[in-house]
Amino acid sequence: DGGITQSPKYLFRKEGQNVTLSCEQNLNHDAMYWYRQDPGQGLRLIYYSQIVNDFQKGDIAEGYSVSREKKESFPLTVTSAQKNPTAFYLCASARDREFDEQFFGPGTRLTVL
Amino acid sequence: QKEVEQNSGPLSVPEGAIASLNCTYSDRVSQSFFWYRQYSGKSPELIMSIYSNGDKEDGRFTAQLNKASQYVSLLIRDSQPSDSATYLCAAQGYSTLTFGKGTMLLVSP
Repeated sequence: DGGITQSPKYLFRKEGQNVTLSCEQNLNHDAMYWYRQDPGQGLRLIYYSQIVNDFQKGDIAEGYSVSREKKESFPLTVTSAQKNPTAFYLCASARDREFDEQFFGPGTRLTVL
Repeated sequence: QKEVEQNSGPLSVPEGAIASLNCTYSDRVSQSFFWYRQYSGKSPELIMSIYSNGDKEDGRFTAQLNKASQYVSLLIRDSQPSDSATYLCAAQGYSTLTFGKGTMLLVSP
């Protein structure tokens, strides 16, 4: 079954803690993306990667970090430096970076207690 | 600043009617455009892609693109209550997508 998986579905974090959100795809896609969605807001790009071992900052990268050691995996770490981390986090992938359709995973809902 | 603008809605239509969703974009170099459907609490699902001027039909959905006017639209024919969702318009830039905030569609039985 091809697709994108994200885990966990729900995550609760205490203030001051770092947490890592998992994103895995078996679509053999080159490009992967992390977005954040807040109520009533559009999707905002956090980080993206077009090839293994390379990634670029999106519009709201501060307080987040990523790695791309394998083509299939693009984990996102929400650090304690992120001032308002409570949000719905969405991972997406695309066959390549240019003019191509992005497909989304089911998302992780992060709540800071 | 690249922008994609959508009316937030809600757009209310009766079952069986045509729903018309509109989107404008600011970046003239955008070549590819996408419509996503997002149910409450779920992730976006790609429903239409359009790359050239004109209409593209897929089942009950028709996407329309006018690059000169920087305008994209989505028509949903024979709207069903199951079409009630938020519809996101996205425009492809150099390597990333810019999303609008979405239009909420409500289809009443």
